[in-house]
Amino acid sequence: ETGVTQSPTHLIKTRGQQVTLRCSSQSGHNTVSWYQQALGQGPQFIFQYYREEENGRGNFPPRFSGLQFPNYSSELNVNALELDDSALYLCASSTRDRDATGELFFGEGSRLTVL
Amino acid sequence: TQLLEQSPQFLSIQEGENLTVYCNSSSVFSSLQWYRQEPGEGPVLLVTVVTGGEVKKLKRLTFQFGDARKDSSLHITAAQPGDTGLYLCAGEKGGSEKLVFGKGTKLTVNP
Repeated sequence: ETGVTQSPTHLIKTRGQQVTLRCSSQSGHNTVSWYQQALGQGPQFIFQYYREEENGRGNFPPRFSGLQFPNYSSELNVNALELDDSALYLCASSTRDRDATGELFFGEGSRLTVL
Repeated sequence: TQLLEQSPQFLSIQEGENLTVYCNSSSVFSSLQWYRQEPGEGPVLLVTVVTGGEVKKLKRLTFQFGDARKDSSLHITAAQPGDTGLYLCAGEKGGSEKLVFGKGTKLTVNP
């Protein structure tokens, strides 16, 4: 069974640039959730995608956007990068069933540094 | 606003010692999860507790959910260096798509 994979693992950008992070969900999973983990903090929910549609969003501005593809993989896009966007971005896949998101399986994350 | 408060934030102990970490909230959760995260990796689920007062054991780890489903504790017996990591609690509210995480307890077990 293939686990959750994220790419790239590390990247450095400058303020104002745009970034795209990618996530391949675990085989059989239909839901992808994205979390931001700043240094010394717990993960914070960005949004969730279920069957290619956004299914809930945390307290993040519109410059954070996402996509889910028919194969359930996902992208997180961040425009107009700010220094505070520097963080570990975690993708988690699960199998959503009615009202429950199900057990989350996290990838290793993409470490973004904004200079 | 941090809905889940974890304590202590840092804990450094010797191999063989026992420890307890806490996760407290003023909110009620339908379930609470504990994760362990090692440097450079994503969190890995250890346990989910659902029923108030529930106690679950995973080898040397004992997890308890408070009667009012607002708090939880993790007790480790005879800690080993392999227990080193960041322990995160995360609460789920019924029907919600998101988990609310605490800041974590960074545990170091010295040989």
